Amino acid sequence: KQEVTQIPAALSVPEGENLVLNCSFTDSAIYNLQWFRQDPGKGLTSLLLIQSSQREQTSGRLNASLDKSSGRSTLYIAASQPGDSATYLCAVPLGAGNMLTFGGGTRLMVKP
Amino acid sequence: DTGVSQNPRHKITKRGQNVTFRCDPISEHNRLYWYRQTLGQGPEFLTYFQNEAQLEKSRLLSDRFSAERPKGSFSTLEIQRTEQGDSAMYLCASSRSGGGNQPQHFGDGTRLSIL
Repeated sequence: KQEVTQIPAALSVPEGENLVLNCSFTDSAIYNLQWFRQDPGKGLTSLLLIQSSQREQTSGRLNASLDKSSGRSTLYIAASQPGDSATYLCAVPLGAGNMLTFGGGTRLMVKP
Repeated sequence: DTGVSQNPRHKITKRGQNVTFRCDPISEHNRLYWYRQTLGQGPEFLTYFQNEAQLEKSRLLSDRFSAERPKGSFSTLEIQRTEQGDSAMYLCASSRSGGGNQPQHFGDGTRLSIL
């Protein structure tokens, strides 16, 4: 059974800092790993999807890496801004239908 | 691409009542998923459809829950005889099929509160 863990559960940083969010998974036989952002009371916004054959993906100030063999992924946010404050979730697909198994999320607050 | 749409956004009801939620996926997406999210937790998978066929159901989906996607477009999720523990955010997502690398796109969810 796939288990996904995110550390830390919460993080508070001053504006401008670079930061790293961690995601680990127990079963390395994954097709991909997806990072999402969730604002309070809202749905999930897809940020990045890393395929199993890739090592990293970049979008703007975001960079996600994937190490399948060690069961880990990181989301790097450069030059953080107050608008980055949200919960960040990672998820891996399970089964032929690609149902997602999520971590518990990291709640990020960026202080001005 | 108008995104995944869910209605209603909020539903407050008394324990024991039935409720129904609707999800309209992105039009060219043939896969549709339902998830449930409780406060402070990540979403948990409930069920998924490929076109009109319901192909997978989680053991979280008790017999009080039923989902349909009659024409392979919109989907409904019904909860009968609601209980306090059903209070949660119900999220719908859709994706294209074809390989394991199609991202899922989520709606804003329906927040259910049971009084």
